[in-house]
Amino acid sequence: GENVEQHPSTLSVQEGDSAVIKCTYSDSASNYFPWYKQELGKRPQLIIDIRSNVGEKKDQRIAVTLNKTAKHFSLHITETQPEDSAVYFCAGFTGGFKTIFGAGTRLFVKA
Amino acid sequence: SQTIHQWPATLVQPVGSPLSLECTVEGTSNPNLYWYRQAAGRGLQLLFYSVGIGQISSEVPQNLSASRPQDRQFILSSKKLLLSDSGFYLCAWRTASSGNTIYFGEGSWLTVV
Repeated sequence: GENVEQHPSTLSVQEGDSAVIKCTYSDSASNYFPWYKQELGKRPQLIIDIRSNVGEKKDQRIAVTLNKTAKHFSLHITETQPEDSAVYFCAGFTGGFKTIFGAGTRLFVKA
Repeated sequence: SQTIHQWPATLVQPVGSPLSLECTVEGTSNPNLYWYRQAAGRGLQLLFYSVGIGQISSEVPQNLSASRPQDRQFILSSKKLLLSDSGFYLCAWRTASSGNTIYFGEGSWLTVV
């Protein structure tokens, strides 16, 4: 089955700097890769996603890149702000019924 | 639009007591439904998923069970809770119209004492 590994587990950046979170997946049949943001005590919420037929996708300060050959994808946050502080989860979906999540990255943005 | 309701939001239960968490989805039909658990400061562990009424797939053998008595209702149960059952329980749904994206309910905080 699919396995998704995520790193780093913790990331601390200065406000205004960029943050990058990386994930790798094991199942080459995976075709959809969402990213979720979870604020303390709340549910994870989708922030951006990418499908396997696309190499990059942007939404304002957030971008995701996908390398199918290497089976890895990354989340890039530019001009970080204190409200970006949260836990971020990557995930992989193979087209069956299950979405498999990475272990999460706790992002701290220092003002 | 689709909404998902999950309750109770918070509960404190003694070891050995039963558990029932309920989840209902509105505004859609025939959703895939999921139960995830998140231990404190940890990742999202898939516990059960269901593709239709009465159809339950278990991902992790443990003292929990799930049932789907109606198309848009998903219930997580236990007959006897363990301390290790403490955590944040999240119901989620997915449909053909949502593509491959799953959406989470607001979660239920369970503390077993």
